[in-house]
Amino acid sequence: GQQLNQSPQSMFIQEGEDVSMNCTSSSIFNTWLWYKQDPGEGPVLLIALYKAGELTSNGRLTAQFGITRKDSFLNISASIPSDVGIYFCAGQLLGGADGLTFGKGTHLIIQP
Amino acid sequence: EADIYQTPRYLVIGTGKKITLECSQTMGHDKMYWYQQDPGMELHLIHYSYGVNSTEKGDLSSESTVSRIRTEHFPLTLESARPSHTSQYLCATATSGGAGDTQYFGPGTRLTVL
Repeated sequence: GQQLNQSPQSMFIQEGEDVSMNCTSSSIFNTWLWYKQDPGEGPVLLIALYKAGELTSNGRLTAQFGITRKDSFLNISASIPSDVGIYFCAGQLLGGADGLTFGKGTHLIIQP
Repeated sequence: EADIYQTPRYLVIGTGKKITLECSQTMGHDKMYWYQQDPGMELHLIHYSYGVNSTEKGDLSSESTVSRIRTEHFPLTLESARPSHTSQYLCATATSGGAGDTQYFGPGTRLTVL
């Protein structure tokens, strides 16, 4: 299936730092979603984006649907210890069959 | 409160046993999915359903089977468990319509086959 390139694969940051991760593809998507997964749990939806150029915030999290429809980014401001986890992007292909394509995840590790 | 439930949360079982992982939802969603995920790795779609009596295989080949007799339930069955089936199994639901395929996940079942 179509792959999303999610980067970085992992991030080691200090508490209080800002975080930025992104997903890119050679294909066009009509939906971008960002999830966070804690160990042993299911992914939790953080932000959903449905229109090109859309910029949406959820507390300290901000995500944007790229204007080309081929990418999306997620920013976390002033990171705190509970931000630790794996962040997944997911997209629904424009004109494709139903279902999501997932990135391979960004592991966020916060050093005290 | 609308939610997605998976039972059991953890299962340790011997090789050759038949197991059924339960997924139920009160979201009122038509679409349901099963994913397989090794710890810290990407999600792989193994089955999906768009409604009652509708089931399809996903991108990752799996020896498991599913059924959708009722909208709220989407159980996954392994007739004969093997160590290679050890993984986390995640159930998800999505609604049809303008919001696209926004999926919501259950807490998962961690399966260990000895």
